[in-house]
Amino acid sequence: GENVEQHPSTLSVQEGDSAVIKCTYSDSASNYFPWYKQELGKGPQLIIDIRSNVGEKKDQRIAVTLNKTAKHFSLHITETQPEDSAVYFCAAVGNAGNMLTFGGGTRLMVKP
Amino acid sequence: KAGVTQTPRYLIKTRGQQVTLSCSPISGHRSVSWYQQTPGQGLQFLFEYFSETQRNKGNFPGRFSGRQFSNSRSEMNVSTLELGDSALYLCASSLGSEQYFGPGTRLTVT
Repeated sequence: GENVEQHPSTLSVQEGDSAVIKCTYSDSASNYFPWYKQELGKGPQLIIDIRSNVGEKKDQRIAVTLNKTAKHFSLHITETQPEDSAVYFCAAVGNAGNMLTFGGGTRLMVKP
Repeated sequence: KAGVTQTPRYLIKTRGQQVTLSCSPISGHRSVSWYQQTPGQGLQFLFEYFSETQRNKGNFPGRFSGRQFSNSRSEMNVSTLELGDSALYLCASSLGSEQYFGPGTRLTVT
């Protein structure tokens, strides 16, 4: 089955700096790659996603890139703010319905 | 539009008991998936229901089961609870590929 690896597990940045989180996946059939943000006491919130026929997608301060050949995708957050502090999860979905396979998560801390 | 709702939010049970958790998806969403979240294992897929049929199942023992009703609401059941079943159980609903999660049910087994 699919296996998703996520790095780093923790990331500390100064407010205003950029943050990059990287994920690799194993199943070449995976075709949809969402990113979730989870704050304490809440469920994961979908923040951005990318499909396998697209190389990059942006939404204001966040962007995601996908390299299908290398089977890795990354989340980029620019001009980080304290409210960006949370745990971020990458995930991959293959051809079997909507089953999300998650990475292990990255705890992002943005210091004011 | 209302989000995904899960009840109850918190639950404490004793080993050997059984528990039923409920999920109401976003209006119009026909797919409901369940995930278990623990510090050690992270987020793991339990099962997915679409139009009252189980479409996918994760690698969990048969003590974990679910069902979906005609109004797309879903329930999951865990029988013969073990200490290791303590976790946050998350429900996600979707119309297409995008899955939206509820706040979860925190289950503690003592």
